[in-house]
Order: sequence, then structure tokens, then C-alpha cells
Amino acid sequence: SQELEQSPQSLIVQEGKNLTINCTSSKTLYGLYWYKQKYGEGLIFLMMLQKGGEEKSHEKITAKLDEKKQQSSLHITASQPSHAGIYLCGAAFPNNDMRFGAGTRLTVKP
Amino acid sequence: DAGITQSPRHKVTETGTPVTLRCHQTENHRYMYWYRQDPGHGLRLIHYSYGVKDTDKGEVSDGYSVSRSKTEDFLLTLESATSSQTSVYFCAISGQGNEKLFFGSGTQLSVL
Repeated sequence: SQELEQSPQSLIVQEGKNLTINCTSSKTLYGLYWYKQKYGEGLIFLMMLQKGGEEKSHEKITAKLDEKKQQSSLHITASQPSHAGIYLCGAAFPNNDMRFGAGTRLTVKP
Repeated sequence: DAGITQSPRHKVTETGTPVTLRCHQTENHRYMYWYRQDPGHGLRLIHYSYGVKDTDKGEVSDGYSVSRSKTEDFLLTLESATSSQTSVYFCAISGQGNEKLFFGSGTQLSVL
């Protein structure tokens, strides 16, 4: 079973639309990471959140971590075809092993 | 990009044969991880290492063993490969336990 639940599993949006991906844990997280994976490639680090209520932005992508540090969201504004890929959230658990959600497959239609 | 090399990049093998995947890093990072990625499951942790000769099991460790005899190399061994071990395997490294991971390019393993 997954320690982290991601939703939705897949998402198809029209170019220019906004979208949100969610990541939820039943446990308090030590740190929450967002990664992007282009099809057939390795994972690229996007952002890390550690403090409750923290919010970070990079270009058109914003990630937030709730106050309880159990839920995070990734929001993309004005999506572009270059945003297409698989987005995964990851978190550190006791003993420092890093676990990941199942991923969200994003398709952006031109 | 972090210096992580996985070998081989692709491998096809038969059920029952032993297979070893290698992860080599040039970053002198303490932590190294092996994950497998399957549709619908995302990345699942197989084993990880927090130092030379220090390893621990992840969530899907059955059928796999690892070894880390030096900082730069982390080996994943399938003693007797099964078709259920067909997957894409990723190695990752980090300097500290609660730090972002740097990933290798992956190894596509097919067990026929």
C-alpha cells in the first residue's frame, strides 16, 4: 500500500488551463518533495516543503504544505505542453527512507 | 546534474537467472536507494543504504538483496529473477536522510 496517496491518477487539460494535484499522508511528514518525470526518463526535483503552511513557487508551479504537514498540493497556472509528464510526491519517513505516491500523469493538449 | 550512473540501461533475462544491477555515484553521498517503478504503483522502495555496509529493507524487498562495499557503488541483486520483477529500476542518492534525491536514468529489466 502507498504511504502517500496522490490524486488524480491522470489529468488531461487544455493548454492555458490551471490544474491542481494533491498528495495526502496519514502521518505527519518530515519533508515533502515534488518531482517531475518525463516519459521514459528519470525524476527531476521540483520543490521541497518542510514547514507547516509553507508555500513555494517556481515559474508557473506553486506547491503548498498544510499546517498539519499531512497534505500538499501542486498547482500549475496557465499550463503548457512542456508541463506534460508524471508528477510524483515523495516524503521522508522514520529511518530516513523516502517513499513516493503513485504519481499523476498530466497531459496538456495544445 | 548529479553524477549517477546505472548499468546496464536495458536487460532481458530468463526466469530463474541471477541478475545484478549497478549504481555508481561520483558525489560521495552517504545515502543510496533502489526503487522500482510500475504502472499504478509509482515508485516503491526496495532497499536503501545509509553508509558503507549499512543497508535496510524498503517496502518491496522480497526477492532482492543489496550490497555496498564502498561509498560510490550500490548493487541490487535478483538471486533468481521472476517475471514479477520485470520493471524499471531507479537508483537515487542523497547527502542526508531528509534531503532531496537525485535519480539515475533507470534500468529497464525484462524477465521472460
